[in-house]
This record gives sequence, structure tokens and C-alpha cells, in this order.
Amino acid sequence: DSGVTQTPKHLITATGQRVTLRCSPRSGDLSVYWYQQSLDQGLQFLIHYYNGEERAKGNILERFSAQQFPDLHSELNLSSLELGDSALYFCASSERLTEAFFGQGTRLTVV
Amino acid sequence: GIQVEQSPPDLILQEGANSTLRCNFSDSVNNLQWFHQNPWGQLINLFYIPSGTKQNGRLSATTVATERYSLLYISSSQTTDSGVYFCAVEYMDSNYQLIWGAGTKLIIKP
Repeated sequence: DSGVTQTPKHLITATGQRVTLRCSPRSGDLSVYWYQQSLDQGLQFLIHYYNGEERAKGNILERFSAQQFPDLHSELNLSSLELGDSALYFCASSERLTEAFFGQGTRLTVV
Repeated sequence: GIQVEQSPPDLILQEGANSTLRCNFSDSVNNLQWFHQNPWGQLINLFYIPSGTKQNGRLSATTVATERYSLLYISSSQTTDSGVYFCAVEYMDSNYQLIWGAGTKLIIKP
């Protein structure tokens, strides 16, 4: 158990819909990262939050947004979903400049 | 940006065999991690190893930062070692994000 909790584990939704993925970081970790892994691909960085503030953006679509709340949990919002958004979405947490730990991921299927 | 290359892309071995997986990176790194992604998709931390050598049971890793490569050794392979092994690095201009290699897909046959 990495200590990072993601919910839900699986999500099936229709095109055009909006979903919210949730992540609770390890106790004490201020940084939360979101990554997307499409089928048989490596992970692509989406966004990084540190103590409630956005620190870096990667290849995140405008239809996607995220936030980190005062209790440090984070949510990734995906809207106007397309078939190509089907992927594994991972959340990771870390202290700055140290080892990142990953949650079990949310498997999103858009039908 | 930095390039992270892993080799071999695929590896099929019999149970009990040993293997070496390689990760080359094109620039200096602050952080290097090895992960195992099991067939259910879960990412498991193996090593946090920006430099030096570490061992954990049948697995060990060595990073030679000056020569920009890291090696993951798996000894006495078991079927549960099957999955994809990723190397991921963080470097000065990466804003703390991890840059991932394409992975080595390992299949251990009983």
C-alpha cells in the first residue's frame, strides 16, 4: 500500500459526460501529481499541485481541470469526454524533490 | 527536453532466470525511480535511486549518474515478476514532474 488513495477504481461513462476523479495523498505530502496512461503507453504528466497551488502543467487538455483543497486532497475533473480519453489516470504524491508514490489509478472507460 | 530510453522493449524468460534492464537518459537528473506495473495496472515503487546501488531482495539497481544510465537487475525470476518495468526521471527543468521511459515488458514463463 503506497498510502495514496484514488477513487473510484473504475468508471464507465458516455461521451460528452463529465467525471471527477479523487486523490488523497500520503500523510504529510504536500505535492500531488496527475498522470494519464493510455493503452500500452507510458505515463503522461498532466498537472502538479503543491500545497493548494498549481505548480506545473503538462499535456492537459482544456476540457480537463484540477484543484487541490485545503486538506490536500485533489480532484481531477474531465468534461465533454471523448472516446480517446479512455485511460488509466494516476495520482502521485511526494515531498518536494523526493520519491513519488502512486495510487492504484482510476480506469476510465468512455463509451 | 530530456530523453529516457529503456531497453530491451520486450523480454521473455523462463522462471528462475536472471535479467538486466537498462535505462539511458540524455541529461543530468535529480531523481530516478524504477517502477513495476503489474498486469492489473498497479504501479509499484521499486527503487528511488538518483545515484549509487540499492538492493531489495531479488532486485537490485545501480545508477551511474555521470554516465547517464541506470540498470535494474532481477535475479531468480518468478512469474509474479511479469509486467512492465518503467524508469522515470526528474531533472532540473522538469518542474518536479517525472519523465517516463517507454518501459520494458517482461514475461516470465513457468
